[in-house]
Amino acid sequence: GQNIDQPTEMTATEGAIVQINCTYQTSGFNGLFWYQQHAGEAPTFLSYNVLDGLEEKGRFSSFLSRSKGYSYLLLKELQMKDSASYLCAVTKNRDDKIIFGKGTRLHILP
Amino acid sequence: DVKVTQSSRYLVKRTGEKVFLECVQDMDHENMFWYRQDPGLGLRLIYFSYDVKMKEKGDIPEGYSVSREKKERFSLILESASTNQTSMYLCATSDGGGNEQYFGPGTRLTVT
Repeated sequence: GQNIDQPTEMTATEGAIVQINCTYQTSGFNGLFWYQQHAGEAPTFLSYNVLDGLEEKGRFSSFLSRSKGYSYLLLKELQMKDSASYLCAVTKNRDDKIIFGKGTRLHILP
Repeated sequence: DVKVTQSSRYLVKRTGEKVFLECVQDMDHENMFWYRQDPGLGLRLIYFSYDVKMKEKGDIPEGYSVSREKKERFSLILESASTNQTSMYLCATSDGGGNEQYFGPGTRLTVT
């Protein structure tokens, strides 16, 4: 079977740091995506990890541990516009199908 | 920039109607996908296509069919719409090789 778990909702304060965790159990693994989705809009690509380690891209960083089936998305210097859902997604075997988690809705408080 | 467009942002149909949702991309991508997104269930894959005239079932194909006659266009068809098909429908494309998918703006379909 395949399963991707991430928290349903999180709340953080403007200017702070938040870490959104994702664990996965899939039959086959090629890489892990993070997408951002604002309410009523389409998901947009944030990051893609294939190898273990941390990838940094501005205020956002993504980490992957293939042996642990674990990833996190780290958001620094939070802004109100970061209020959105964050989707963890896994690709298997380079066949381009993506399995999505149910998403984490992040609320930013002023 | 990749552009993925969908024929409607909002659509209201009656039970039993045949519904066509169209997706068009302008980046010559090989792969196209149809998802539906529902609260608490996340994104679920309905059908996908790796090439013209090719299609494969996703996780929830029942009640849907697809057509890909041209590379840039991928249509989702609801043969006889039912109320449980009320949802947000998202089209996506990718260029293959495990690269990211680009999404269209979505169609919010309501079946009454």
